[in-house]
Amino acid sequence: NAGVTQTPKFQVLKTGQSMTLQCAQDMNHEYMSWYRQDPGMGLRLIHYSVGAGITDQGEVPNGYNVSRSTTEDFPLRLLSAAPSQTSVYFCASSYSVLAWGKNEQFFGPGTRLTVL
Amino acid sequence: AQRVTQPEKLLSVFKGAPVELKCNYSYSGSPELFWYVQYSRQRLQLLLRHISRESIKGFTADLNKGETSFHLKKPFAQEEDSAMYYCALKKGGSEKLVFGKGMKLTVNP
Repeated sequence: NAGVTQTPKFQVLKTGQSMTLQCAQDMNHEYMSWYRQDPGMGLRLIHYSVGAGITDQGEVPNGYNVSRSTTEDFPLRLLSAAPSQTSVYFCASSYSVLAWGKNEQFFGPGTRLTVL
Repeated sequence: AQRVTQPEKLLSVFKGAPVELKCNYSYSGSPELFWYVQYSRQRLQLLLRHISRESIKGFTADLNKGETSFHLKKPFAQEEDSAMYYCALKKGGSEKLVFGKGMKLTVNP
């Protein structure tokens, strides 16, 4: 199993550009989520999904969109990039809360995004 | 709302010294508590969870509901323990994790 994969690893954008960060998992996990990691701020939840076709907002959703058309993929879209979105983005997945004892979240390697 | 507090951002110790990484939480229900670790240039990974009551890489953590704490301890730190450590909480019935701001542990030779 590849686990959780993310592309690209690095990206530089200009203010106003849009892009999609890709995330995929091959563990048949129902739950997927996106976090941003900033110095001194820890990890903050952007959006999450409890299954295909179902998404919801996390703590810091503004400026980001998500969709979940398949169980495997959960892309994160930046609509109009801003310097405040410079961060490291992590995707994570896990079984649903119903799978008692199997709810460890597995993280991807991260995407380092710089917005100029 | 649930909240996780890691009061110290940095901790530097010498090899062989004991370490304690503090974590306090606020949540009115029965939470699940976790410690995640991120070694340099690696992804976050689960270190341990309170329901397992296990010791991983010499680390232990006990959930103290009275003090709402979940401190991570290791009696003799090793250089390879140097990493960022995050305490996280999951409320019952939810998959969502709430993370603390993290703490950087440096173990010097």
